[in-house]
Amino acid sequence: DTGVSQDPRHKITKRGQNVTFRCDPISEHNRLYWYRQTLGQGPEFLTYFQNEAQLEKSRLLSDRFSAERPKGSFSTLEIQRTEQGDSAMYLCASSFPRPRDEQYFGPGTRLTVT
Amino acid sequence: AQKVTQAQTEISVVEKEDVTLDCVYETRDTTYYLFWYKQPPSGELVFLIRRNSFDEQNEISGRYSWNFQKSTSSFNFTITASQVVDSAVYFCALSGKNTGNQFYFGTGTSLTVIP
Repeated sequence: DTGVSQDPRHKITKRGQNVTFRCDPISEHNRLYWYRQTLGQGPEFLTYFQNEAQLEKSRLLSDRFSAERPKGSFSTLEIQRTEQGDSAMYLCASSFPRPRDEQYFGPGTRLTVT
Repeated sequence: AQKVTQAQTEISVVEKEDVTLDCVYETRDTTYYLFWYKQPPSGELVFLIRRNSFDEQNEISGRYSWNFQKSTSSFNFTITASQVVDSAVYFCALSGKNTGNQFYFGTGTSLTVIP
């Protein structure tokens, strides 16, 4: 059983460019979450999917951010017109269908916007 | 509102010492769930424990133990006989039954175990 995987692990981009990250959850998990973590802080929730439905979005998720999970398996997080403030670690997690089950995290994608 | 406070930003201990990491939470939910995660230098968050609000029994797993006290809204984590491999950032997290499925994380406690 493989864990949550994320691609790429590192991304450096120039301000104003668009970036897309991918997350592959644990195969039996139907819930998928995106978080953002900045230096010295805990992860902050961005959005949550149950199967292909995006059920929750944080106010942190500005209109430049969009997430999809088209077939209920992998998910993508896109950031349009990146800003320096978007520099952070973007974490993906997945969990079983039971409410409040522990979430299993991937290694993250570290984004640096120059 | 949900909030988790980890007042200890950094802790250093000498190997084999015991160390307790504090976690204080705030929630209006009567049913909620508490978690501890470990984030080693490699960066990947590792799940350690999940506790339901209606289960106040303390738990021990090897060198790890957790003390859940609803009266003081605390869920503290103790490592006995610390080892260098315990060096990491530890996060406490909260999820309330009526506030969606997101986890609310504290700011973490960075533990350094000195050999």
